[in-house]
Amino acid sequence: QKEVEQDPGPLSVPEGAIVSLNCTYSNSAFQYFMWYRQYSRKGPELLMYTYSSGNKEDGRFTAQVDKSSKYISLFIRDSQPSDSATYLCAMRHTGNQFYFGTGTSLTVIP
Amino acid sequence: GAVVSQHPSRVICKSGTSVKIECRSLDFQATTMFWYRQFPKQSLMLMATSNEGSKATYEQGVEKDKFLINHASLTLSTLTVTSAHPEDSSFYICSGSGGQAETQYFGPGTRLLVL
Repeated sequence: QKEVEQDPGPLSVPEGAIVSLNCTYSNSAFQYFMWYRQYSRKGPELLMYTYSSGNKEDGRFTAQVDKSSKYISLFIRDSQPSDSATYLCAMRHTGNQFYFGTGTSLTVIP
Repeated sequence: GAVVSQHPSRVICKSGTSVKIECRSLDFQATTMFWYRQFPKQSLMLMATSNEGSKATYEQGVEKDKFLINHASLTLSTLTVTSAHPEDSSFYICSGSGGQAETQYFGPGTRLLVL
Protein backbone atom coordinates (compact mmCIF):
# COMPACT_ATOMS: atom_id res chain seq x y z
CA GLN A 1 0.00 0.00 0.00
CA LYS A 2 1.34 3.40 -0.92
CA GLU A 3 1.85 5.91 1.87
CA VAL A 4 -0.22 8.49 -0.01
CA GLU A 5 -2.99 7.81 -2.49
CA GLN A 6 -4.28 10.40 -4.92
CA ASP A 7 -6.71 9.95 -7.79
CA PRO A 8 -4.80 10.95 -10.93
CA GLY A 9 -7.91 12.10 -12.78
CA PRO A 10 -8.01 13.69 -15.23
CA LEU A 11 -10.68 15.98 -13.83
CA SER A 12 -12.51 18.36 -16.14
CA VAL A 13 -14.93 21.01 -14.85
CA PRO A 14 -16.67 24.09 -16.28
CA GLU A 15 -15.47 27.53 -15.28
CA GLY A 16 -17.01 28.66 -12.01
CA ALA A 17 -17.42 25.16 -10.59
CA ILE A 18 -16.25 24.10 -7.16
CA VAL A 19 -13.42 21.62 -7.42
CA SER A 20 -12.64 19.03 -4.77
CA LEU A 21 -9.27 17.29 -4.78
CA ASN A 22 -8.47 14.58 -2.28
CA CYS A 23 -5.72 12.41 -0.88
CA THR A 24 -5.74 9.58 1.59
CA TYR A 25 -2.82 8.34 3.59
CA SER A 26 -1.90 5.44 5.81
CA ASN A 27 0.67 6.82 8.26
CA SER A 28 -1.00 8.31 11.32
CA ALA A 29 2.27 10.04 12.24
CA PHE A 30 1.92 12.59 9.42
CA GLN A 31 1.51 16.06 10.87
CA TYR A 32 2.32 18.49 8.07
CA PHE A 33 0.16 18.60 4.97
CA MET A 34 0.75 20.50 1.76
CA TRP A 35 -0.87 21.13 -1.59
CA TYR A 36 1.19 22.09 -4.60
CA ARG A 37 0.12 23.26 -8.03
CA GLN A 38 2.26 22.36 -11.02
CA TYR A 39 1.81 23.89 -14.43
CA SER A 40 3.17 22.05 -17.43
CA ARG A 41 6.96 22.31 -17.70
CA LYS A 42 7.25 24.22 -14.40
CA GLY A 43 8.30 23.34 -10.88
CA PRO A 44 5.56 22.76 -8.28
CA GLU A 45 4.33 25.84 -6.45
CA LEU A 46 3.25 25.65 -2.82
CA LEU A 47 -0.45 26.53 -2.54
CA MET A 48 -1.46 25.57 0.97
CA TYR A 49 0.27 24.29 4.05
CA THR A 50 -1.49 23.05 7.17
CA TYR A 51 -0.33 21.56 10.41
CA SER A 52 -2.40 18.82 12.03
CA SER A 53 -6.19 18.75 11.61
CA GLY A 54 -8.53 21.52 10.62
CA ASN A 55 -9.30 23.92 7.82
CA LYS A 56 -7.28 26.67 6.25
CA GLU A 57 -8.58 29.18 3.75
CA ASP A 58 -6.67 31.38 1.33
CA GLY A 59 -8.75 33.24 -1.20
CA ARG A 60 -10.54 30.73 -3.40
CA PHE A 61 -8.63 27.81 -1.90
CA THR A 62 -9.55 25.84 1.22
CA ALA A 63 -7.49 22.99 2.61
CA GLN A 64 -9.02 20.48 4.99
CA VAL A 65 -7.28 17.85 7.06
CA ASP A 66 -9.15 15.04 8.80
CA LYS A 67 -6.55 13.06 10.70
CA SER A 68 -9.12 10.65 12.14
CA SER A 69 -10.02 9.54 8.62
CA LYS A 70 -6.50 10.07 7.23
CA TYR A 71 -7.97 12.21 4.50
CA ILE A 72 -7.05 15.64 3.15
CA SER A 73 -8.86 17.81 0.67
CA LEU A 74 -8.30 20.93 -1.38
CA PHE A 75 -11.34 22.89 -2.50
CA ILE A 76 -11.18 25.48 -5.24
CA ARG A 77 -14.14 27.85 -5.44
CA ASP A 78 -15.14 29.73 -8.59
CA SER A 79 -12.62 27.76 -10.63
CA GLN A 80 -10.87 29.59 -13.45
CA PRO A 81 -9.16 28.36 -16.62
CA SER A 82 -5.89 29.51 -15.04
CA ASP A 83 -6.43 26.85 -12.34
CA SER A 84 -5.85 24.17 -14.98
CA ALA A 85 -2.79 22.32 -13.71
CA THR A 86 -1.71 19.22 -11.85
CA TYR A 87 -2.30 19.35 -8.11
CA LEU A 88 -0.03 17.39 -5.79
CA CYS A 89 -0.65 16.61 -2.17
CA ALA A 90 2.30 16.06 0.13
CA MET A 91 2.80 15.28 3.76
CA ARG A 92 5.43 14.53 6.34
CA HIS A 93 5.88 13.63 9.98
CA THR A 94 8.59 15.08 12.23
CA GLY A 95 11.39 13.76 10.05
CA ASN A 96 12.55 15.38 6.85
CA GLN A 97 11.09 12.82 4.48
CA PHE A 98 8.21 14.01 2.38
CA TYR A 99 5.57 11.80 0.80
CA PHE A 100 3.87 12.96 -2.37
CA GLY A 101 0.71 11.90 -4.10
CA THR A 102 0.97 11.17 -7.81
CA GLY A 103 -0.97 14.32 -8.70
CA THR A 104 -4.43 15.07 -10.08
CA SER A 105 -4.69 16.70 -13.48
CA LEU A 106 -7.36 19.42 -13.56
CA THR A 107 -8.78 21.21 -16.59
CA VAL A 108 -11.18 24.11 -16.16
CA ILE A 109 -13.14 24.68 -19.34
CA PRO A 110 -14.09 28.28 -20.20
CA GLY B 1 6.76 32.13 -0.05
CA ALA B 2 10.40 31.23 -0.21
CA VAL B 3 12.16 31.37 -3.57
CA VAL B 4 14.36 28.74 -5.15
CA SER B 5 16.14 29.33 -8.43
CA GLN B 6 17.64 26.85 -10.87
CA HIS B 7 20.17 27.37 -13.58
CA PRO B 8 20.13 26.67 -16.44
CA SER B 9 16.45 26.44 -17.26
CA ARG B 10 17.19 24.23 -20.22
CA VAL B 11 20.28 22.60 -21.61
CA ILE B 12 21.07 20.56 -24.68
CA CYS B 13 24.25 18.50 -24.67
CA LYS B 14 25.94 15.76 -26.61
CA SER B 15 25.99 12.19 -25.38
CA GLY B 16 28.99 11.51 -23.17
CA THR B 17 29.37 15.03 -21.81
CA SER B 18 28.65 16.16 -18.26
CA VAL B 19 26.09 18.74 -17.27
CA LYS B 20 25.89 20.72 -14.01
CA ILE B 21 22.64 22.13 -12.69
CA GLU B 22 22.64 24.72 -9.91
CA CYS B 23 19.93 25.14 -7.31
CA ARG B 24 19.88 28.17 -5.04
CA SER B 25 17.63 29.17 -2.16
CA LEU B 26 17.40 32.94 -2.50
CA ASP B 27 15.74 34.07 0.71
CA PHE B 28 16.11 31.24 3.17
CA GLN B 29 18.73 28.78 4.32
CA ALA B 30 18.05 25.35 2.93
CA THR B 31 19.47 22.85 5.37
CA THR B 32 18.07 20.10 3.18
CA MET B 33 17.77 20.06 -0.57
CA PHE B 34 16.01 17.49 -2.70
CA TRP B 35 16.54 16.56 -6.33
CA TYR B 36 13.76 15.13 -8.45
CA ARG B 37 13.34 14.08 -12.03
CA GLN B 38 10.08 14.06 -13.89
CA PHE B 39 9.22 12.45 -17.20
CA PRO B 40 6.36 13.87 -19.33
CA LYS B 41 2.94 13.38 -17.75
CA GLN B 42 4.45 11.45 -14.84
CA SER B 43 4.79 12.27 -11.18
CA LEU B 44 7.89 13.52 -9.39
CA MET B 45 10.55 10.92 -8.71
CA LEU B 46 12.85 11.69 -5.80
CA MET B 47 16.46 11.07 -6.76
CA ALA B 48 18.34 12.13 -3.66
CA THR B 49 18.23 14.13 -0.46
CA SER B 50 21.19 16.21 0.66
CA ASN B 51 21.87 17.93 3.94
CA GLU B 52 24.31 20.84 3.95
CA GLY B 53 27.83 19.63 4.49
CA SER B 54 26.93 15.94 4.27
CA LYS B 55 26.91 13.35 1.54
CA ALA B 56 23.66 12.97 -0.32
CA THR B 57 21.34 10.06 0.32
CA TYR B 58 20.28 8.48 -2.95
CA GLU B 59 17.03 6.69 -3.64
CA GLN B 60 17.13 3.09 -4.68
CA GLY B 61 18.02 2.72 -8.33
CA VAL B 62 19.70 6.12 -8.66
CA GLU B 63 23.40 5.82 -9.52
CA LYS B 64 25.35 8.08 -7.19
CA ASP B 65 28.41 8.03 -9.44
CA LYS B 66 26.33 9.23 -12.36
CA PHE B 67 24.32 11.88 -10.54
CA LEU B 68 26.79 13.77 -8.39
CA ILE B 69 25.21 16.01 -5.78
CA ASN B 70 27.03 18.66 -3.81
CA HIS B 71 25.45 20.74 -1.06
CA ALA B 72 28.37 22.82 0.10
CA SER B 73 26.44 25.76 1.51
CA LEU B 74 23.03 26.53 2.98
CA THR B 75 21.97 28.26 -0.21
CA LEU B 76 23.51 26.20 -3.01
CA SER B 77 23.27 22.63 -4.21
CA THR B 78 24.47 21.27 -7.53
CA LEU B 79 23.56 18.19 -9.52
CA THR B 80 26.06 16.99 -12.10
CA VAL B 81 24.92 14.44 -14.63
CA THR B 82 28.12 12.71 -15.68
CA SER B 83 28.57 11.08 -19.08
CA ALA B 84 25.01 11.93 -20.00
CA HIS B 85 23.09 9.67 -22.36
CA PRO B 86 19.80 10.20 -24.21
CA GLU B 87 17.91 8.24 -21.55
CA ASP B 88 18.97 10.91 -19.02
CA SER B 89 16.88 13.45 -20.90
CA SER B 90 14.27 14.62 -18.44
CA PHE B 91 13.00 17.51 -16.34
CA TYR B 92 15.12 17.94 -13.21
CA ILE B 93 13.67 19.87 -10.28
CA CYS B 94 15.29 20.81 -7.01
CA SER B 95 13.66 21.92 -3.80
CA GLY B 96 14.83 23.28 -0.47
CA SER B 97 13.64 22.92 3.07
CA GLY B 98 15.08 24.35 6.22
CA GLY B 99 15.07 26.76 9.10
CA GLN B 100 11.52 27.34 10.24
CA ALA B 101 10.15 25.98 6.99
CA GLU B 102 8.33 22.73 7.50
CA THR B 103 7.70 22.38 3.82
CA GLN B 104 9.62 22.23 0.54
CA TYR B 105 9.98 25.07 -1.91
CA PHE B 106 10.63 24.02 -5.47
CA GLY B 107 12.77 25.54 -8.16
CA PRO B 108 11.41 26.15 -11.67
CA GLY B 109 13.12 23.06 -13.08
CA THR B 110 15.78 22.35 -15.68
CA ARG B 111 14.96 20.62 -18.92
CA LEU B 112 17.84 18.43 -20.08
CA LEU B 113 18.04 17.06 -23.59
CA VAL B 114 20.89 14.73 -24.43
CA LEU B 115 21.48 14.17 -28.12
